[in-house]
Amino acid sequence: DQQVKQNSPSLSVQEGRISILNCDYTNSMFDYFLWYKKYPAEGPTFLISISSIKDKNEDGRFTVFLNKSAKHLSLHIVPSQPGDSAVYFCAAWPGEYGNKLVFGAGTILRVKS
Amino acid sequence: NAGVTQTPKFQVLKTGQSMTLQCAQDMNHEYMSWYRQDPGMGLRLIHYSVGAGITDQGEVPNGYNVSRSTTEDFPLRLLSAAPSQTSVYFCASSQNTGGTEQFFGPGTRLTVL
Repeated sequence: DQQVKQNSPSLSVQEGRISILNCDYTNSMFDYFLWYKKYPAEGPTFLISISSIKDKNEDGRFTVFLNKSAKHLSLHIVPSQPGDSAVYFCAAWPGEYGNKLVFGAGTILRVKS
Repeated sequence: NAGVTQTPKFQVLKTGQSMTLQCAQDMNHEYMSWYRQDPGMGLRLIHYSVGAGITDQGEVPNGYNVSRSTTEDFPLRLLSAAPSQTSVYFCASSQNTGGTEQFFGPGTRLTVL
């Protein structure tokens, strides 16, 4: 039973346009959400996070939106650049209810120049 | 700082062999964890540790052992390798057990024949 779901295995976007990556979760106890980016043959790197008490967090070209009622979060990348082509993992942290970070299956983003 | 280091980068084992994947971090992080990445499955937690001498099971612990004798090192042992353990293994560390950024190593690609 996947608690964190990324239903789009891949996404292709033109350079300069917006990339929107989506993530759904089932456990309402999740306290914190994170996005990681992974290039081939490298480990994932942290990108951006959001606390469950917020609905938006912005860092440069990256914005994460959280809709708690829908149990949905999304990562917006504007404008998209070829160097953004990577696998993006959504992850959720249960806070005081556990020490285990739960990852989604990932979405492959391809930014075409 | 070297960050999180993992050795070896690649390994081929025969069914039934045992081996240890090494992981070390030089950031004085308390929390360390092991994940495996399989196609379509994202990153799944194998074992984690909240400090020296303390370890616990993650989502997929069977067939793996860990120990944490020092803050810096967190080796993962495969007791009797099976083809189902063919995967890419990532070690990660973070400052604490909260929803903070985890730093990942470069990964070990393991093939079990």
